[in-house]
Amino acid sequence: AQSVTQPDIHITVSEGASLELRCNYSYGATPYLFWYVQSPGQGLQLLLKYFSGDTLVQGIKGFEAEFKRSQSSFNLRKPSVHWSDAAEYFCAVAIYGQNFVFGPGTRLSVLP
Amino acid sequence: DAGITQSPRHKVTETGTPVTLRCHQTENHRYMYWYRQDPGHGLRLIHYSYGVKDTDKGEVSDGYSVSRSKTEDFLLTLESATSSQTSVYFCAISESREQYFGPGTRLTVT
Repeated sequence: AQSVTQPDIHITVSEGASLELRCNYSYGATPYLFWYVQSPGQGLQLLLKYFSGDTLVQGIKGFEAEFKRSQSSFNLRKPSVHWSDAAEYFCAVAIYGQNFVFGPGTRLSVLP
Repeated sequence: DAGITQSPRHKVTETGTPVTLRCHQTENHRYMYWYRQDPGHGLRLIHYSYGVKDTDKGEVSDGYSVSRSKTEDFLLTLESATSSQTSVYFCAISESREQYFGPGTRLTVT
């Protein structure tokens, strides 16, 4: 069965530092790929998506992600983290039509 | 923000009682989903709908049923709530493979 892994349960970075959150999926074909962010007590907000084409995609709030087919990865990056980026981040894939599978999430803490 | 509302936002209920959660959309999207969110599990799909009266099971459907009699409403029912169903429930809608989420319902079963 298809699955999504996010190896880091919790990451702490200092404000202004760069960030990379890892995501790997297991599926034979290239799925549709997404990153969502969830602030405490809120629903999930779409940060960015990859369907096809350029493997480096830009999203909202200064985030970007790179799809690497050879590694089955879709890692999220930000060059300089802000305190407001503290949240939980979920990677997701859509494989069969409109069915989505989510990773377990990575909680990001930001030190002042 | 996508027009998705969930009601109630918070509910405490006793084991064995029936519970219905409502998701309402104003976007006229075809697909609607119910997920539960638990620590360490991310979001797990309970049921989804691909049109009025068209629904299918997800990964964790046992103990849950759904109904969709109108495009805009998707109901999730716990026929007899159990403590293991204490969770945060999210509704989502989708069109063209982009999902948008509601604010969530926190359900506590005592």
